[in-house]
Amino acid sequence: GDSVTQMEGPVTLSEEAFLTINCTYTATGYPSLFWYVQYPGEGLQLLLKATKADDKGSNKGFEATYRKETTSFHLEKGSVQVSDSAVYFCALSQPTNTGNQFYFGTGTSLTVIP
Amino acid sequence: DGGITQSPKYLFRKEGQNVTLSCEQNLNHDAMYWYRQDPGQGLRLIYYSQIVNDFQKGDIAEGYSVSREKKESFPLTVTSAQKNPTAFYLCASSRANSYEQYFGPGTRLTVT
Repeated sequence: GDSVTQMEGPVTLSEEAFLTINCTYTATGYPSLFWYVQYPGEGLQLLLKATKADDKGSNKGFEATYRKETTSFHLEKGSVQVSDSAVYFCALSQPTNTGNQFYFGTGTSLTVIP
Repeated sequence: DGGITQSPKYLFRKEGQNVTLSCEQNLNHDAMYWYRQDPGQGLRLIYYSQIVNDFQKGDIAEGYSVSREKKESFPLTVTSAQKNPTAFYLCASSRANSYEQYFGPGTRLTVT
């Protein structure tokens, strides 16, 4: 079945360091791909998305490119800030005849230290 | 402002009691979802509903029940049959055939 695998955490970086969180997926057809962010004690917020191969999603300095050939959607940011400390979830959405199905990775915790 | 509300934010119950978690949305979304989140396990789907008066079991439905009598409301009941109910519960919604979900702020349930 469809699934998402993302890099295990926790990840600890110094402010202004480069961030990469790896995400790979298994899916039939043509899923849409997402990164969500969760701050402590809150729900998930959509960070960025890509709906077809080679699309690049970007938001707040984060970006990820939908790579069908490597089935990947790695999250990157050139210079992280303390306020980026959160848990990041990679996810995919797959259309079915009963509506869209959503699959989430296990989350990667990021801590940015000053 | 449109969005999803979940109440209460924190909920405490004694073992053996049923408890109902509220989820309301004013986004006019057709589909609604309940997820359970445990540390290190990501999100697991409990139930989902694509239209009013219809819902389907997700991956971990045992010990839970839902209803969908109104488009904007999708309450989740955690029954005494759920063996390990302490968790963070997230409600989400999406437009019909949309690939994007919107999440509520969550309810943290503690059962002792």
